[in-house]
Amino acid sequence: QSALTQPPSASGSPGQSVTISCTGTTSDIDYYEYVSWYQRHPGKAPKLMIYEVTKRPSGVPDRFSGSKSGNTASLTVSGLQSEDEGEYYCASYSRTNTVVFGGGTKLTVL
Amino acid sequence: QVQLVESGGAMVQPGTSLRLSCAGSGFDFSDHAMHWVRQTPGKGLAWVASISFDGTFRAFDESVKGRFTISRLNGQATVFLQMSDLGAQDTAIYFCARDLKTFSSATLDHWGLGTLVTVSS
Repeated sequence: QSALTQPPSASGSPGQSVTISCTGTTSDIDYYEYVSWYQRHPGKAPKLMIYEVTKRPSGVPDRFSGSKSGNTASLTVSGLQSEDEGEYYCASYSRTNTVVFGGGTKLTVL
Repeated sequence: QVQLVESGGAMVQPGTSLRLSCAGSGFDFSDHAMHWVRQTPGKGLAWVASISFDGTFRAFDESVKGRFTISRLNGQATVFLQMSDLGAQDTAIYFCARDLKTFSSATLDHWGLGTLVTVSS
């Protein structure tokens, strides 16, 4: 059982927006501004998409955005494209000085 | 460009030990904390351990505490994961990842392709 809770699946049509939630506790997401999101395609290395809740690494399209409210973080993908399909994982730093991941959300572009 | 290459994965018997290595290149290795993350078959990513830029601070997931250790040699731009008393639950692809900062911040900005560890009798 993962420390952070994500929905197992999400979907949307091309051009639509989809939001993936990530729920933690007062010891991780609610306590720190160190929430990150990763995209995973089979056979490829995970890719950092969002860090420190809202920041985007260079090269990541601005269609990807992050936010946080209390102990829940969210990743929003606007203007869905077929290449956005894949698994998405959230992660947070924790008061136990560890890193906790979510169980992953499979995003399908219909 | 930044590259991380893991090695050392193998098929081993339960109760044995194994050491994984991760060689970094294309960046100043000594400026970054490093992590090991694993993915078990059909499941998600799970953080295993991290080490600060200078090796003074290390942290472990509860599932490996007391069995795994993490270390680094900055002069060789390499981080290691020493695993002992391996069990079937440790079967996974093990990824090495770089943290954006000198101490763990849960921002893993570059990852390797992983090395497979299979624990089976």
